Amino acid sequence: GENVEQHPSTLSVQEGDSAVIKCTYSDSASNYFPWYKQELGKRPQLIIDIRSNVGEKKDQRIAVTLNKTAKHFSLHITETQPEDSAVYFCAASEETSYDKVIFGPGTSLSVIP
Amino acid sequence: DSGVTQTPKHLITATGQRVTLRCSPRSGDLSVYWYQQSLDQGLQFLIQYYNGEERAKGNILERFSAQQFPDLHSELNLSSLELGDSALYFCASSPIWTSGGADEQFFGPGTRLTVL
Repeated sequence: GENVEQHPSTLSVQEGDSAVIKCTYSDSASNYFPWYKQELGKRPQLIIDIRSNVGEKKDQRIAVTLNKTAKHFSLHITETQPEDSAVYFCAASEETSYDKVIFGPGTSLSVIP
Repeated sequence: DSGVTQTPKHLITATGQRVTLRCSPRSGDLSVYWYQQSLDQGLQFLIQYYNGEERAKGNILERFSAQQFPDLHSELNLSSLELGDSALYFCASSPIWTSGGADEQFFGPGTRLTVL
């Protein structure tokens, strides 16, 4: 089945700097790659997603890039703000159950004011 | 508010007991997923139902079971509870992407289970 790795596990940046989180996946048939943000004590919420027919997608300060050949995808957050502090999970769809995703272990991002 | 509801919010029980967690998906979503999140851990996939039928199974213990009813609400049953079962249990629902395949999952607020 699908295996998703995520790095780094913790990330600390100064307010205004950029943050990058990287994920790799194992199933070459995966075609959907969402990113979820989970603030402390709250539910995970989708912040951006990308499908395999697209190499990059942007939404204001957030962007995701996908390299299908290398089987990795990344989340980029620019001009970070304290409210970006949260745990971020990447995920990848699994071929054997095409509407299920496997989550990475998460990255705890701290933005220092 | 995601539109997914879970009850109860908190549950405190003793080892060896049995509990039932309930989830109502967003209106129109046929897929329901259950996840376990232990302290400082990621989202461990337990099981998925689609329109009343089991669709996929993850690392779900034999002591755990789930079902999805005709009105699409789902229940997760945890029995012979152990201390290690203490965790936050999330339910999520999802539409199926129009071309088939995975789509956004909408998470409920979670049920925090404490086993003493």
